[in-house]
Amino acid sequence: QVQLVESGGGVVQPGKSLTLSCAASGFTFTNYDIHWVRQAPGKGLEWVAVIRSDGNKEYYADSVKGRSTISRDNSKKTVYLRMNSLRAEDTAVYYCTRVGRSVVQYSGMDVWGQGTTVAVSS
Amino acid sequence: DIQMTQSPSSVSASVGDRVTITCRASQGISSWLAWYQQKPGNAPKLLIYAASTLQYGVPSRFSGGGSGTVFTLTISSLQPEDFATYYCQQAKSFPYTFGQGTKLEIK
Repeated sequence: QVQLVESGGGVVQPGKSLTLSCAASGFTFTNYDIHWVRQAPGKGLEWVAVIRSDGNKEYYADSVKGRSTISRDNSKKTVYLRMNSLRAEDTAVYYCTRVGRSVVQYSGMDVWGQGTTVAVSS
Repeated sequence: DIQMTQSPSSVSASVGDRVTITCRASQGISSWLAWYQQKPGNAPKLLIYAASTLQYGVPSRFSGGGSGTVFTLTISSLQPEDFATYYCQQAKSFPYTFGQGTKLEIK
């Protein structure tokens, strides 16, 4: 079935790095942009980053720009989010989600993973 | 960046009530908007895309409207499973942004 599965979360000390993974299955991976969205404890949703379906363009939220890198391996149907210089405010559940490419209309984030939890603490 | 503002932040309602949530964009986004429902401990679920198109499998009591800077999500007759938090999200330009959420509670 159509699925996204995140992994790589955990407890990490401030200033350290972490790489999250998002493995896709059940759909044509190269037809979709993949986004990361996070949710701090008790807070709302925050868009983090996106990588285009062909891997040729990425965009980041200001809160992670310069500290994070999103990449994808289409042969493995996996997207990665490398986060450096982690801060307490990066503590959140991180979801990956897909969006179909279209210049006509927005199709929405229609499939989400279950989330992986990152806790930044000393 | 485009700011998305939802109102109200929370609302109490009863089963069978009609509820409308409003989302305002800080600049025009045409119909590049989606609505999501989230229940505690779960990932968000897509309800509406392109401002007014119902996602496959979502009950018809949900509807979306608006264009430009003002959008609405309406639930025509609340069911027990609809009590959740709702978010709007713009996709006109990066960085994508979400509204702060509207918590729908049982009266």
